[in-house]
Amino acid sequence: DGGITQSPKYLFRKEGQNVTLSCEQNLNHDAMYWYRQDPGQGLRLIYYSQIVNDFQKGDIAEGYSVSREKKESFPLTVTSAQKNPTAFYLCASSRGTGFYEQYFGPGTRLTVT
Amino acid sequence: AQRVTQPEKLLSVFKGAPVELKCNYSYSGSPELFWYVQYSRQRLQLLLRHISRESIKGFTADLNKGETSFHLKKPFAQEEDSAMYYCALFTNAGKSTFGDGTTLTVKP
Repeated sequence: DGGITQSPKYLFRKEGQNVTLSCEQNLNHDAMYWYRQDPGQGLRLIYYSQIVNDFQKGDIAEGYSVSREKKESFPLTVTSAQKNPTAFYLCASSRGTGFYEQYFGPGTRLTVT
Repeated sequence: AQRVTQPEKLLSVFKGAPVELKCNYSYSGSPELFWYVQYSRQRLQLLLRHISRESIKGFTADLNKGETSFHLKKPFAQEEDSAMYYCALFTNAGKSTFGDGTTLTVKP
């Protein structure tokens, strides 16, 4: 299961606070992704990055921000503007886009109260 | 806009019976389609991709561009096949779309 890690496994925050989720990969992959998984709704793409120093919004980017300063790292910040931040967050990476397999991390469950 | 639809949220079959998990997609370009599986307490992982035209764990999936479908099939289901299955569409531009998933239960 190694290769892509997310920390922490569980995260608790008070409403109104920003929180940053970590995602690291040692697979030398160019592309990285963040998804949100809610019960019954599958995975929804938040942001993706095809290469270092570049990223694009996915389908539900509002209230989130990312950075890609290093190839192996793609942190996600859940801001106070995100209206419903409590969810399970998955990070993935791939050698490239299109037909390349995405490898998933174990996920972080964020609870905001 | 691209979309992936998995019409069945839950699917239950008996061991040894055939199983088919449906997936339909909409995309104006040339799609790259995948099936991912998540077993209990494990990470989401690739099951198969259309470009490889392979059979993994007895599962196959054929891309039907006319019907815009990529249904997953297995002739004889096993109890260890019980899991959550996701159909996914990836594009060369980097955007990826997953369906809502189908929970498959194989009863003994």
